Amino acid sequence: QKEVEQDPGPLSVPEGAIVSLNCTYSNSAFQYFMWYRQYSRKGPELLMYTYSSGNKEDGRFTAQVDKSSKYISLFIRDSQPSDSATYLCAMMLIQGAQKLVFGQGTRLTINP
Amino acid sequence: DARVTQTPRHKVTEMGQEVTMRCQPILGHNTVFWYRQTMMQGLELLAYFRNRAPLDDSGMPKDRFSAEMPDATLATLKIQPSEPRDSAVYFCASGIGVQGNTIYFGEGSWLTVV
Repeated sequence: QKEVEQDPGPLSVPEGAIVSLNCTYSNSAFQYFMWYRQYSRKGPELLMYTYSSGNKEDGRFTAQVDKSSKYISLFIRDSQPSDSATYLCAMMLIQGAQKLVFGQGTRLTINP
Repeated sequence: DARVTQTPRHKVTEMGQEVTMRCQPILGHNTVFWYRQTMMQGLELLAYFRNRAPLDDSGMPKDRFSAEMPDATLATLKIQPSEPRDSAVYFCASGIGVQGNTIYFGEGSWLTVV
């Protein structure tokens, strides 16, 4: 079983829809939770990060962390065709191994 | 505009040849990661360094892969001998300590082994 599970999709929604992307994890020691966006043939770019539990909002993006359920989410409001990309969740330990572990990535397409 | 720089961007090589990929982390970053990305496996952590010391390379096939940081401005990933199954995109990322919000990726080295 992978430490971080993410549905690879693909996910296709109409422009303007609310998008919900999710990951589950097994290691309760993860403390940093990130979402990266990756366009085709590009490197992942940091989109959102959260330390420990709670919500964080940045424009049309909201990241949520529920440590009791070992579940994180990314919501995109008023989705745009330019949001079409692969979204990767990532988690990091700050003790011990301190490694950064990624989910499989969800391929998202926003249709005009 | 600070960025992680990777070379080469693209490499096609024959099976059995040595491949060296290079990464220049962002100035001031003391943590460097090497990842491999494939359609099937996604992003796999190969190795990472802090202050040039290897912290974990358990994800790296030891018989053919090696990773080093000769100095703070250069990280290298070497494959010898290369095999077709090594064909993938190799990403380098750098950050500051354990601060997850400081980790940035390069554009990747696209490797094809024929």
